[in-house]
Order: sequence, then structure tokens, then C-alpha cells
Amino acid sequence: DAGVTQSPTHLIKTRGQQVTLRCSPKSGHDTVSWYQQALGQGPQFIFQYYEEEERQRGNFPDRFSGHQFPNYSSELNVNALLLGDSALYLCASSLEGGSGRYYGYTFGSGTRLTVV
Amino acid sequence: DQQVKQNSPSLSVQEGRISILNCDYTNSMFDYFLWYKKYPAEGPTFLISISSIKDKNEDGRFTVFLNKSAKHLSLHIVPSQPGDSAVYFCAARFNDYKLSFGAGTTVTVRA
Repeated sequence: DAGVTQSPTHLIKTRGQQVTLRCSPKSGHDTVSWYQQALGQGPQFIFQYYEEEERQRGNFPDRFSGHQFPNYSSELNVNALLLGDSALYLCASSLEGGSGRYYGYTFGSGTRLTVV
Repeated sequence: DQQVKQNSPSLSVQEGRISILNCDYTNSMFDYFLWYKKYPAEGPTFLISISSIKDKNEDGRFTVFLNKSAKHLSLHIVPSQPGDSAVYFCAARFNDYKLSFGAGTTVTVRA
């Protein structure tokens, strides 16, 4: 049973560019959340998608946007990259109404983004 | 938004002894607390959780204690094993699906 799959695993971009990160949720999961983990810090919530809609958003600028597809997979887009966007981006999936609320979410291994 | 704090960045413990990880929070509306474990190059893995209406939850070698009056929770690992060496994150949420994480504690279990 495949867990959460993220691609690419590593990425180097230049300041000002745009980037798209991808996530396939665990089989049977329909909700996807994105987190940013800067070096030495805990993951910070970016937003969550359910039924192809963004239903909750953290304290991130509009440069961060996302999308969820009918097959529940998701993309995270970041425009006008800044050096401070360098981080590990984690995708987490869960099943709406399932046990994720109480037993945590399933995380992918993340995409390491470096902005130079 | 530092609502969840792990003030000890690292912990070293001898194999077989107890590991105690601490976490403090500021938001009294949190209704669930979770601990995640993370190995290098992997995503966080759910370890154990506790509802705000309870003060203890145990799962094998792992026990989480919650002190609501002090806004403090702790994770006990007994006995500690070499495979427990990892980064441990405390997380909390209230009435929604966003998790607020602490900065993590790196545990090293010495042989």
C-alpha cells in the first residue's frame, strides 16, 4: 500500500522563479495538507485541500497557491521565489471523517527546495 | 505563531533508560495533542496522541502525559532503544485540521 508520494525529492530554483511541487495522497485518502519546514524548525501549515477546494489556510502570502485534482492528488505552486522559501515542503494526507483527526496524518518524505 | 514550544533541542540517553521529552503550549483551545517521529530523509511518522480530556495515554513503550493546568505535555519512552534515535515533534490542533508543531527535539540513544 503506497503511502504519500511527493515529487521531485530535490529542487534548485533561482530567486524570482516559479515552482510546482506534487503530491499523491495515500490510497483511500481524500484530503491533502501542505507544510513548510525550515531548517531547525517544526513544520508550518500552509493550506489544506478537500473536494478540490482550499478550505483552510495558514499564515502564508498569496504567492503560495495550490490545487487538488479529482483523483485527490495535489500541487503546491510558489511564485516569485525568495531565498527564504528554501525549505522542506511536506505533504500530508488523511481521510475526511476518518481517524486522521485523532491519530495524525500520513506525511510524505518531502521536497527539498533550495532557492539561490 | 509559537503556540507550541519544545524548549530542549536535543536529548541524549543511554539505551535501556527512560527518555522524557517535554512540550509546552499556549492555546487552551487545543483539543488534541500528537507526537511525531522523524528520521532523516523521511517524513514525520505519527507516534501517539492524547485528547485534551485525558491526562495519560499509553501505547507500548510510549506514554504521553498531559497537564492542562500547566499547559504542558510530555512523552516518555521506556526503555529507550537505538532505533528511537530521531527527531520528535510535538503537535497540537483545535477544532480544525491544522496542526501546530514545535521545533522538535533530537533524541540520541547511546549504546
